[in-house]
Amino acid sequence: DQQVKQNSPSLSVQEGRISILNCDYTNSMFDYFLWYKKYPAEGPTFLISISSIKDKNEDGRFTVFLNKSAKHLSLHIVPSQPGDSAVYFCAASALSNTGKLIFGQGTTLQVKP
Amino acid sequence: EAQVTQNPRYLITVTGKKLTVTCSQNMNHEYMSWYRQDPGLGLRQIYYSMNVEVTDKGDVPEGYKVSRKEKRNFPLILESPSPNQTSLYFCASSLGQNNSPLHFGNGTRLTVT
Repeated sequence: DQQVKQNSPSLSVQEGRISILNCDYTNSMFDYFLWYKKYPAEGPTFLISISSIKDKNEDGRFTVFLNKSAKHLSLHIVPSQPGDSAVYFCAASALSNTGKLIFGQGTTLQVKP
Repeated sequence: EAQVTQNPRYLITVTGKKLTVTCSQNMNHEYMSWYRQDPGLGLRQIYYSMNVEVTDKGDVPEGYKVSRKEKRNFPLILESPSPNQTSLYFCASSLGQNNSPLHFGNGTRLTVT
């Protein structure tokens, strides 16, 4: 049972345009969400997070939106750069059990020059 | 340099031969965790530890053991590896405070024949 789903395995965008990566979750107990980026041969690195008390969090070119009623979050990258090409994972946790972090399957983003 | 170090980076072994993947962090983090990454399944949590001598099962603990005798180390033990444990393994750590982001190691590619 996949509690966190990234239904798009891959996404290709042109440099300078917006990249939108999507993530859906099923567990209504999740109240904290994170995005990680992963380059080949490296471990994932933290990108941005959002608490369920917010519906938007912004950090430079990266913005995460949370729609609690739809159990959906998205990561917007504007403008996209070739260096953003990587695998992006969304993850979720519940305050009641912060030790368990559930990841999605990942979306591979390719930004073309 | 603050980091999570896993060893070895690559390992090929045979079914049934016990092995240990080491993980060490130099950030004085309380929380540590092991994940495996498989195609189409994303990152799945194997075990985690909220502090020394405290370990809990993640989503896929079968066939694995861990120990947390000291804060900095969190080895992953496969007592009798099987081919279905062929995977890319990541160790991660964090401060352990609510929702503090994970710092990942660079991964261990394990092949069990």
